[in-house]
Amino acid sequence: DQQVKQNSPSLSVQEGRISILNCDYTNSMFDYFLWYKKYPAEGPTFLISISSIKDKNEDGRFTVFLNKSAKHLSLHIVPSQPGDSAVYFCAANTLTGNQFYFGTGTSLTVIP
Amino acid sequence: NAGVTQTPKFRILKIGQSMTLQCAQDMNHNYMYWYRQDPGMGLKLIYYSVGAGITDKGEVPNGYNVSRSTTEDFPLRLELAAPSQTSVYFCASSYDRVTDYGYTFGSGTRLTVV
Repeated sequence: DQQVKQNSPSLSVQEGRISILNCDYTNSMFDYFLWYKKYPAEGPTFLISISSIKDKNEDGRFTVFLNKSAKHLSLHIVPSQPGDSAVYFCAANTLTGNQFYFGTGTSLTVIP
Repeated sequence: NAGVTQTPKFRILKIGQSMTLQCAQDMNHNYMYWYRQDPGMGLKLIYYSVGAGITDKGEVPNGYNVSRSTTEDFPLRLELAAPSQTSVYFCASSYDRVTDYGYTFGSGTRLTVV
């Protein structure tokens, strides 16, 4: 039972444009969300987080938006750079839970 | 600062063999985790530990065992390897259960069972 879903396995974007990666979840108890970035043959690296008390969090070129009523979050990358080409995972947890549940990932390709 | 170190990076096992995947962290993190990632799938939690001497099962614990005798080390033991255990295994650690900085992951162990 996949509680966190990333329905787009891949996304291609031109350099300089906006990349939007989407994530949906089914468990309404989730209230803490993370995005990770993963390059081939490496472990995931933490990118940005958001808790349910916010609907937006920014860190440089990366912004995460949370819509709790729709159980949806998205990661915006502006402007996209070739070095952003990687697999992006979203993950969700409750504030008292012991594990994060991960989505299946979206492979982003930024075309120079 | 090495972060999370996993060994080996690659391993091929025959069905029925056993092995231990090593994981060590030098950040004095309380929480440690073992995840597996199958092709096209998200990471699934195998086991986790909230501190030395304390471990608990995650989503997919069958066929695995763990121990946490020190804060630094969290080895994962595979007994009687099966083809279904072919996967990439990631160890991770964090200071707390929920943090603004997520988990720190190791670079993974790619295991093939033939």
